[in-house]
Amino acid sequence: SSELTQDPAVSVALGQTVRITCQGDSLRSYYASWYQQKPGQAPVFVMYGKNNRPSGIPDRFSGSTSGNTASLTITGAQAEDEADYYCNSRDSSGDHYVFGTGTKVTVL
Amino acid sequence: QVQLVQSGAEVKKPGASVKVSCKASGYTFTSYGISWVRQAPGQGLEWMGWISADKGHTNYAQNLQGRVTMTTDTSTSTAYMELRSLRSDDTAVYYCARDPLKVTLELDYWGQGTLVTVSS
Repeated sequence: SSELTQDPAVSVALGQTVRITCQGDSLRSYYASWYQQKPGQAPVFVMYGKNNRPSGIPDRFSGSTSGNTASLTITGAQAEDEADYYCNSRDSSGDHYVFGTGTKVTVL
Repeated sequence: QVQLVQSGAEVKKPGASVKVSCKASGYTFTSYGISWVRQAPGQGLEWMGWISADKGHTNYAQNLQGRVTMTTDTSTSTAYMELRSLRSDDTAVYYCARDPLKVTLELDYWGQGTLVTVSS
């Protein structure tokens, strides 16, 4: 089982805000990174570190962390944001990486 | 432009081995590592490990230690992932991704994925 826990599914109305959370003890020591994956496609890197967006990622995506929880927030969700989202960070040993369980985001 | 092009789909019998390739272009291959990530049908992402392209240093996921080997060929800018003693639960899409080998996993470019099916 993953050491990073995410809610299985969340929904958001078009244009509204949704926060996707990721919980795990390692997040007290390491930042998370986030990936978006649409059906049949490779994942896309969308967030890393304290609140850093890779080139080309819209500024409606933002990140934060508090205690053992990392969050990815989409402010003004668009239809194209409907996807699975995975967090990633170090495992409890700090030597390896682990992905979260994933959250399916539905835009209504 | 950065591209990672993976080898084609494979069908293997239980107990066999598979070797997936990942040819990189559009950047200096030895300035980055390559991470491998797999995804079983209908399941989440699983980090398998990384390799530094210049020195060949590796870091494998605990549950794959002893069955996986990652290598690179700097003359062709190609990374390889070999998985041995295949089982049915190794059936998955295998991805390679460019990895700057930072503290956080920052996989900015991905291959198209390679489906490996393990079936008798």
